[in-house]
Amino acid sequence: AQSVTQPDIHITVSEGASLELRCNYSYGATPYLFWYVQSPGQGLQLLLKYFSGDTLVQGIKGFEAEFKRSQSSFNLRKPSVHWSDAAEYFCAVGAGGFKTIFGAGTRLFVKA
Amino acid sequence: KAGVTQTPRYLIKTRGQQVTLSCSPISGHRSVSWYQQTPGQGLQFLFEYFSETQRNKGNFPGRFSGRQFSNSRSEMNVSTLELGDSALYLCASSFGLQDTEAFFGQGTRLTVV
Repeated sequence: AQSVTQPDIHITVSEGASLELRCNYSYGATPYLFWYVQSPGQGLQLLLKYFSGDTLVQGIKGFEAEFKRSQSSFNLRKPSVHWSDAAEYFCAVGAGGFKTIFGAGTRLFVKA
Repeated sequence: KAGVTQTPRYLIKTRGQQVTLSCSPISGHRSVSWYQQTPGQGLQFLFEYFSETQRNKGNFPGRFSGRQFSNSRSEMNVSTLELGDSALYLCASSFGLQDTEAFFGQGTRLTVV
């Protein structure tokens, strides 16, 4: 069955520290992978996506993610976190529409 | 260009009532998907519309219905509201059916009391 696991329900990092949010997936074919961010009371904004090619993907707001097929992972990283990055982050896998499966989300807290 | 617009942003309804939520996709987008987001269940797919036809439906009871108009605007309706229907309802638009690039609206926060 297709699934997405985000093992960390919440993470706290200090401003300026590096960040890595974990995502593991189970998908029958080569997946399309996404990371979205959701600020409180807002919709989802696409940070980055992977379809094929270079396994290191650059996104908006200084985020990047690396696709590792052998580990079925698509972890999100940022070298230096800003207070405005505090939000909930969703990893998703699929082909769009009803075929997109979202993880449960990881809430990021940033401390000064 | 304007993003996905959902109205209203907030809604409070009483159990047993019905509610209609609206979604205007990005201009030129023909596909609209609806999701329900709750703390316990996360993001769950409701329906997907393309060219005024429902193409896919998630695992929700018949009380949840929707439609799409010729201008691609979409509405979803929930009848006989239950407390458990309280959620953030998100709409996403994309150019084509099951397009991988989806743009989300800010959502409608529905509270059932």
